[in-house]
Amino acid sequence: KNQVEQSPQSLIILEGKNCTLQCNYTVSPFSNLRWYKQDTGRGPVSLTIMTFSENTKSNGRYTATLDADTKQSSLHITASQLSDSASYICVVSDRGSTLGRLYFGRGTQLTVWP
Amino acid sequence: EADIYQTPRYLVIGTGKKITLECSQTMGHDKMYWYQQDPGMELHLIHYSYGVNSTEKGDLSSESTVSRIRTEHFPLTLESARPSHTSQYLCASRENEQFFGPGTRLTVL
Repeated sequence: KNQVEQSPQSLIILEGKNCTLQCNYTVSPFSNLRWYKQDTGRGPVSLTIMTFSENTKSNGRYTATLDADTKQSSLHITASQLSDSASYICVVSDRGSTLGRLYFGRGTQLTVWP
Repeated sequence: EADIYQTPRYLVIGTGKKITLECSQTMGHDKMYWYQQDPGMELHLIHYSYGVNSTEKGDLSSESTVSRIRTEHFPLTLESARPSHTSQYLCASRENEQFFGPGTRLTVL
């Protein structure tokens, strides 16, 4: 069964600190993995997208890594800011159909305290 | 910022009412989607469309219906709203990248 598991479920950190969020998946065949940021009451916004051949990608203070062999990804946030408080969702796409079906994790709820 | 819009953003309505959630995108994408998301839970696909006059049901069974008469417009309709329909509904469109709208928070009393 294709699944996407994220950990931790929630995380509280102090402003300025770094953190790392984890994503494990069993989706096969694999096409790409995306990290989204979803603010409360808003739609998800894409942070990074990585294909099989990419093992790291950065977007400002966000750095995503991908190990396609172990089917694991992480999202590292550097020097956190209050505006980083949001849910971070890992989404994996398969190559099994024209649709390129997306599998969503439940997200990690990050809270940054001043 | 993606050009995908949803209205209304918030809707509180009584049981039995008919409602239509609007979704429009100006990117010319053929593929459009509706997701349902409860607080703290993952997004569940309820409808999708490959293009005009093409609609399919998603993974999560839903009593809602959709239509795709124009490329840019993908409305979702509930003929008779019930409290179990209370949720957030997210519209999305896709070429290579998937873009989400801001969502409609629906509350059925």
